[in-house]
Formats: sequence, structure tokens, C-alpha cells
Amino acid sequence: IAGITQAPTSQILAAGRRMTLRCTQDMRHNAMYWYRQDLGLGLRLIHYSNTAGTTGKGEVPDGYSVSRANTDDFPLTLASAVPSQTSVYFCASSNSYSNQPQHFGDGTRLSIL
Amino acid sequence: GQNIDQPTEMTATEGAIVQINCTYQTSGFNGLFWYQQHAGEAPTFLSYNVLDGLEEKGRFSSFLSRSKGYSYLLLKELQMKDSASYLCAVRDSNYQLIWGAGTKLIIKP
Repeated sequence: IAGITQAPTSQILAAGRRMTLRCTQDMRHNAMYWYRQDLGLGLRLIHYSNTAGTTGKGEVPDGYSVSRANTDDFPLTLASAVPSQTSVYFCASSNSYSNQPQHFGDGTRLSIL
Repeated sequence: GQNIDQPTEMTATEGAIVQINCTYQTSGFNGLFWYQQHAGEAPTFLSYNVLDGLEEKGRFSSFLSRSKGYSYLLLKELQMKDSASYLCAVRDSNYQLIWGAGTKLIIKP
């Protein structure tokens, strides 16, 4: 089934640890995005990539890094997790050069203790 | 700054009609999206408006007025399964989506 796969589904992590959230899409979309969603706030863009080999910073990039080595994969890394990074993380993809919507993965629920 | 405003919560009755409003102030405008998000799940696409007017898709319709920076999502013949959050998002001049905080819709029998 075509779509976006995120892993892990959920994770509890000790503060200071390194963590990589995985995201893979098979729709050949050029653009991919990482958002965090916190209660009472809208989805906030962390990082994005408009095409393989390029990345950009979103609204809340501090403490996170991404890479886009190929079209399908867009991992998000927390180099040294802090409790304020406790959130639900969604990966999305789209054909950014059209009016097509962004499609979302099922999310990763991350708790930093 | 960029801002998307929508009501935090609304309540409606099964079988009725509800209108969820969204006002926006963004740097540029390249379309407005509505998404539905059930609790604990990912957002799913509902509708897209880029020109003024009404777009109808089954029980759901979405309206846009670019001059007023205003959109609404109209849900007809409400069903219990429509209980969810509804997210308004505007694509700005950089083709990035700016998201509202969402409107939680509670449907009562």
C-alpha cells in the first residue's frame, strides 16, 4: 500500500540520549517534511526538504537535524534529547510543485524523561 | 507575523450542519487546505481552495474569500464519526504550510 511509514510508533527516551526517527515514502514525492504537534498548538514545521540532497529549516529547527540522501527517506535526529522535545512527530510528503496536499505518516509519540 | 485563527472547540448535534471558520494573515497565499484529524491519528486531507468561492465534496464544503483572509468548512448531515479536530492550513509565498491550532468538533446524539 502506497504511503508514508514512520518508525518507531512510540518511544520513551532518557534525556541526553541520541534518537533518530525514521520516515520512508513510496509515492515518489519530491518534498518531505517533519512536524511536531503539541496540545493546543498547531503543527509546527521542524525541517523540510524540497528535493533529494537539499534540506531547509522550519519554524522550530533547534535541537533537530535531518538528511535527504534519496527521494524516499527523510530521517530526523535528536542529537541530545531534552524533555521539551516530548511531542508527537509527524512526517509528511507532497509534490510541492502542484496543488496536491501533504500526506502524513501515522506519527511517532516521543517522551523524553 | 503569520497567523491562522480558528475556534478551539465546537459542539453540534448529529444530523445537523456546522460551520468551522478560519481567518488567516500570511506572507503570500498559495492555497488553503482543510484536514481532519481523529484523536491519536494522523491528519487526513479534506479540501483545497485557491480561488474564491465554494468547493463541494459530498457532505463537506469549503469556502474561500482571499480579500477577507477567510475560509470556512461546512459539514452537513453530521455523523458521530465526524467527531474530530479540523485543521486549517495556508500555503505561504515559500510554499510552506502554516497551520492553525485546530478546531475540536464534538458531535452529540
